[in-house]
Amino acid sequence: EVQLVQSGAEVKKPGESLKISCKGSGYRFTSYWIGWMRQMPGKGLENMGIIHPSDSETRYSPSFQGQVTISVDKSINTAYLQLTSLKASDTAMYYCARLSEDGSETWFDPWGQGTLVTVSS
Amino acid sequence: QSVLTQPPSASGTPGQKITISCSGSSSNVATNTVSWYRQLPGTAPKLLIYSDDQRPSGVPDRFSGSKSGASASLVISGLQSEDEADYFCASWDDGRNGPYAFGTGTKVTVV
Repeated sequence: EVQLVQSGAEVKKPGESLKISCKGSGYRFTSYWIGWMRQMPGKGLENMGIIHPSDSETRYSPSFQGQVTISVDKSINTAYLQLTSLKASDTAMYYCARLSEDGSETWFDPWGQGTLVTVSS
Repeated sequence: QSVLTQPPSASGTPGQKITISCSGSSSNVATNTVSWYRQLPGTAPKLLIYSDDQRPSGVPDRFSGSKSGASASLVISGLQSEDEADYFCASWDDGRNGPYAFGTGTKVTVV
């Protein structure tokens, strides 16, 4: 079974940093892009960026460029999302998902279960 | 911020057919395929339609997708109570909103 499993919920104080993980299994991890999405409370999905595990090529959404760092450790089939200088507005659910491709056709499947990040003093 | 525009809500009675629209632009929907996701309350999104009109195995055929130009649609035929969820469209974006654009989301209510 193709699966992405994310790290657990986090509670942080403003100014702190955190790194969320997303471990893939059941498929060749280095063959597919991994995307990270943010979903703020009661809001829609926003793609933060994507990374290819084979060479760590990363493409950030302009809205998140410079605000987050996406990385990967292909030796352990794990992608990461790092957030620094956390603010209350970073409180959200964060999802990773595998970007499947068929030629120029793309879609996200499967998705991780999500990691809830709460930033509060 | 979401680049693709969807109606905020849609509703219907059991058995009815509803249509959810997804409006994009030349950098996304018009030139790249569209996928649709369903998000049940408190759960992660799940793929519903890919490549504009393809259903993954396990998705009932009462869900169908289509696209024309820069607009796409998701049709739910034979609406069921378990279809109450949020629905999002998405597409690769070749422009400044890339790499991937999501819709604003539509809350479906079964009355």
